[in-house]
Amino acid sequence: NAGVTQTPKFQVLKTGQSMTLQCAQDMNHEYMSWYRQDPGMGLRLIHYSVGAGITDQGEVPNGYNVSRSTTEDFPLRLLSAAPSQTSVYFCASSYSSGGRSYNSPLHFGNGTRLTVT
Amino acid sequence: AQKVTQAQTEISVVEKEDVTLDCVYETRDTTYYLFWYKQPPSGELVFLIRRNSFDEQNEISGRYSWNFQKSTSSFNFTITASQVVDSAVYFCALRLNNYGQNFVFGPGTRLSVLP
Repeated sequence: NAGVTQTPKFQVLKTGQSMTLQCAQDMNHEYMSWYRQDPGMGLRLIHYSVGAGITDQGEVPNGYNVSRSTTEDFPLRLLSAAPSQTSVYFCASSYSSGGRSYNSPLHFGNGTRLTVT
Repeated sequence: AQKVTQAQTEISVVEKEDVTLDCVYETRDTTYYLFWYKQPPSGELVFLIRRNSFDEQNEISGRYSWNFQKSTSSFNFTITASQVVDSAVYFCALRLNNYGQNFVFGPGTRLSVLP
């Protein structure tokens, strides 16, 4: 069982570069989301999706873009990297039905450590 | 608005001590779900437990136990006879039963268990 797979594990970018963090899940989960984790800040939601073709903004969406063309994939795009985007990024998914999650937990990928210089 | 508070930023205990991690949440919804996650030094996030708002039964799983009290909006986590492998950051999270169903995470408590 692969679960949630994130690539790459590490990435260094220069200011102004763009890149895409990949996320794929094989659990047929409707709900997928991206978080960033910064010291002392916990996990903050960037974008989320309740199903293919549907995306929405979370708490800290600026500078990031997402799309959800399939149930399995939910890539996160950094449009023009800034040092403030240095962080650890987690993709997560959970079961939901008809837009409701009930008590389903989030399943996390192993994270991507991004450094922007 | 929803909020999760974990007032203890860092806790250090000596192996075999009991330790309780506090979690206080805020929501006006009557149906919601609470979770605990563990993040060991390796960095992955591991789901530990969930609790529905309408189920106030406490739960014990080995050395772990959880105390859910709606009256005080708390969902505390106790580790009995702590071990070095329990050293991690622990996150409490709240999820509402609405469209979007987003999780709200607390800031985490870093637990260090010293040998």
